[in-house]
Amino acid sequence: QKEVEQNSGPLSVPEGAIASLNCTYSDRGSQSFFWYRQYSGKSPELIMFIYSNGDKEDGRFTAQLNKASQYVSLLIRDSQPSDSATYLCAVNYAGGTSYGKLTFGQGTILTVHP
Amino acid sequence: ETGVTQSPTHLIKTRGQQVTLRCSSQSGHNTVSWYQQALGQGPQFIFQYYREEENGRGNFPPRFSGLQFPNYSSELNVNALELDDSALYLCASSLLETTDTQYFGPGTRLTVL
Repeated sequence: QKEVEQNSGPLSVPEGAIASLNCTYSDRGSQSFFWYRQYSGKSPELIMFIYSNGDKEDGRFTAQLNKASQYVSLLIRDSQPSDSATYLCAVNYAGGTSYGKLTFGQGTILTVHP
Repeated sequence: ETGVTQSPTHLIKTRGQQVTLRCSSQSGHNTVSWYQQALGQGPQFIFQYYREEENGRGNFPPRFSGLQFPNYSSELNVNALELDDSALYLCASSLLETTDTQYFGPGTRLTVL
């Protein structure tokens, strides 16, 4: 059973702080990693994807991937109240017939308070 | 906006009934994946359609079935509805040959009474 685990929330940070969201996965064959943001009552919105070990930055967001340790994280710098949402980590065990089929974690609720 | 549309937005059915949900993929995308998201959980993969053929299936019973049409739009059909089928149903489109990045539609909220 391929699993994706996220740190249980809710996570609460003050406005302007760095929010750190973590995710671990069970299958070493995983090749693609995604972070989605989901506001209450809405559908998931893609924030970032990462394929290679290391950091990938996009504006206030940084995704970090460590395949040896099987974890991926998302850092949100200068957190804003509008960042308050559920953050979903998703993994694609690409290859063969499993290509493009995402396995999601349960999500971490982030609250940014003024 | 991702360009992926779904209908209807909300739906209320009773146990034992059948339901059809619809999805139009983003322009240029040939692959549609369907997910079920129960309250407080992450989405769970139901199945994927690529060029009108099923391209893999998650751990869902046969009463969950689908179709993809030549214009790459898709349907999800659920027969013999159960209370536990109450969830947000999401479709996501992608272009399978070039990327595994998937973009979600707004979802259909299904309530089974």
